Amino acid sequence: DTEVTQTPKHLVMGMTNKKSLKCEQHMGHRAMYWYKQKAKKPPELMFVYSYEKLSINESVPSRFSPECPNSSLLNLHLHALQPEDSALYLCASSPSHSNYGYTFGSGTRLTVV
Amino acid sequence: DQQVKQNSPSLSVQEGRISILNCDYTNSMFDYFLWYKKYPAEGPTFLISISSIKDKNEDGRFTVFLNKSAKHLSLHIVPSQPGDSAVYFCAASDLQYSGGSNYKLTFGKGTLLTVNP
Repeated sequence: DTEVTQTPKHLVMGMTNKKSLKCEQHMGHRAMYWYKQKAKKPPELMFVYSYEKLSINESVPSRFSPECPNSSLLNLHLHALQPEDSALYLCASSPSHSNYGYTFGSGTRLTVV
Repeated sequence: DQQVKQNSPSLSVQEGRISILNCDYTNSMFDYFLWYKKYPAEGPTFLISISSIKDKNEDGRFTVFLNKSAKHLSLHIVPSQPGDSAVYFCAASDLQYSGGSNYKLTFGKGTLLTVNP
């Protein structure tokens, strides 16, 4: 299995809703990432988990809450989002060696209404 | 402050010819560079990388060149094929930033490559 699987592919939520994005990989990668990408912009790092511990938080608002239940799973819990949070949310994973870059999932297209 | 810049938003090339995608960076601490390819509705796919200790890396039709003094890298695709049409992102990493076991990638805005049959 050489994929990163993200669910759901599309999500529409209201500003008072609570939802979660899920990411799964079975490549034995010990680093997992959340990136956010807005239209015509580059992906921007949000969070990094290394060995299931949060190692980088790029000053992301608390309405985004990451969770890494085990080495294969990464969640992003969403609460009280704003319309400007609408974007493509990409999950990625990487092995401990960097030569092969990240493996990205297909992303979740999030629309906040 | 954009640390990785792809100044050409788009590039159009004839099938069989060479495609050259350019990328400039400003952070001299970057020591590892990658190119990703992205089709619509898919996540970016890793293409090729180069360490700062090298000036060239080749993988089939794809070659990346690094000019550290100019803080410039380029991706050459020869020969270009219609299936290469996609958005290409340049990315850079400072492996020391995160200790090597995980690392932050800083991406450029991307260049849309169109290869015409």
